[in-house]
Amino acid sequence: GESVGLHLPTLSVQEGDNSIINCAYSNSASDYFIWYKQESGKGPQFIIDIRSNMDKRQGQRVTVLLNKTVKHLSLQIAATQPGDSAVYFCAENFGNEKLTFGTGTRLTIIP
Amino acid sequence: NAGVTQTPKFQVLKTGQSMTLQCAQDMNHEYMSWYRQDPGMGLRLIHYSVGAGITDQGEVPNGYNVSRSTTEDFPLRLLSAAPSQTSVYFCASRSTGEQYFGPGTRLTVT
Repeated sequence: GESVGLHLPTLSVQEGDNSIINCAYSNSASDYFIWYKQESGKGPQFIIDIRSNMDKRQGQRVTVLLNKTVKHLSLQIAATQPGDSAVYFCAENFGNEKLTFGTGTRLTIIP
Repeated sequence: NAGVTQTPKFQVLKTGQSMTLQCAQDMNHEYMSWYRQDPGMGLRLIHYSVGAGITDQGEVPNGYNVSRSTTEDFPLRLLSAAPSQTSVYFCASRSTGEQYFGPGTRLTVT
């Protein structure tokens, strides 16, 4: 079946620097992508989403970029803070309730 | 609103036992889903529901049953627990926007 994967399992970033977390997807029919943040012992928390008819979407300190040509998704976090330490998942949706999640990237913020 | 609530938080079962993981939401969301999360992996969809009385299978449905008799509740039943079902289980709900996840149930089957 189709799968969503991440390039790097771990990422360490200095506090105050920008973080970029990458995600590759293989199903060109996916029309909706979501980024989730999961802190230890908690359920995933929605960060930002983007539809396939968009290339970029910005939120508060976060930006998601979608490159449909190479089937690549990225999450940029500006001016990272200690509270940004978590596992980040991308997920894709094919227009129904069947979300497919990637394996996650653990982001560690270095003080 | 309490959001999405799950009980119990932790559970230990012996192989062959049955149990029900409870999930409830008070946001009047139509869509509800159950996922399992294994170490080093993303969440995998077990079952989902698009409304009361309607359920469907996800990616890994074997060994699990669900029902949706009300909008608020979406219990997940393990019929005969197996060690392979040791995992963290998350329930989620949504209306037209983002999914809201519950805090999870950590299940160990020995």
